[in-house]
Amino acid sequence: EAGVVQSPRYKIIEKKQPVAFWCNPISGHNTLYWYLQNLGQGPELLIRYENEEAVDDSQLPKDRFSAERLKGVDSTLKIQPAELGDSAVYLCASRSTNTGELFFGEGSRLTVL
Amino acid sequence: GENVEQHPSTLSVQEGDSAVIKCTYSDSASNYFPWYKQELGKGPQLIIDIRSNVGEKKDQRIAVTLNKTAKHFSLHITETQPEDSAVYFCAASGRNTPLVFGKGTRLSVIA
Repeated sequence: EAGVVQSPRYKIIEKKQPVAFWCNPISGHNTLYWYLQNLGQGPELLIRYENEEAVDDSQLPKDRFSAERLKGVDSTLKIQPAELGDSAVYLCASRSTNTGELFFGEGSRLTVL
Repeated sequence: GENVEQHPSTLSVQEGDSAVIKCTYSDSASNYFPWYKQELGKGPQLIIDIRSNVGEKKDQRIAVTLNKTAKHFSLHITETQPEDSAVYFCAASGRNTPLVFGKGTRLSVIA
């Protein structure tokens, strides 16, 4: 069984540029999460989807961040425009309906110059 | 909302010794407490979890204990090996609330 797939793994951009991250969850996992992980910190939730519905986006900075999961499978997270402080790892995770276990992707590391 | 505190932030042990990492949580409604291991350049991976109806759970060299009254839970790794070196995160969540993570413990096992 394939795990959670994220791309790109690494992205370097200049400030004020846009960037997008893509996530393909494990097949059959209805719940999808985007987490932000700063260096030396634990993951922090940005947004949670149940199928295509965003059910918890209270921590998403909506002035520059947006996310979508149009068909309830893949998801994209966009930042526009990026700021220096957005440099971090963006983790996607999906949750097993059976066990409740979260499976994480390897993350997308963003560097904003 | 939930707040999870994790200690220590770094831990060095000799190979073969035991390692203990402790976490406290604030929301008495939390009922699920997983532990994740994160290796460099990888996403966190679940290594063991415990639910609030259980006080202790063991899986080979790894065990987790939960004290609901005191709102703390701990990870115990026995007979540590160099490949146990990684960052470990505790987390807590309730029935309809997302996981909140601790800040992590960097474990180094010295051969």
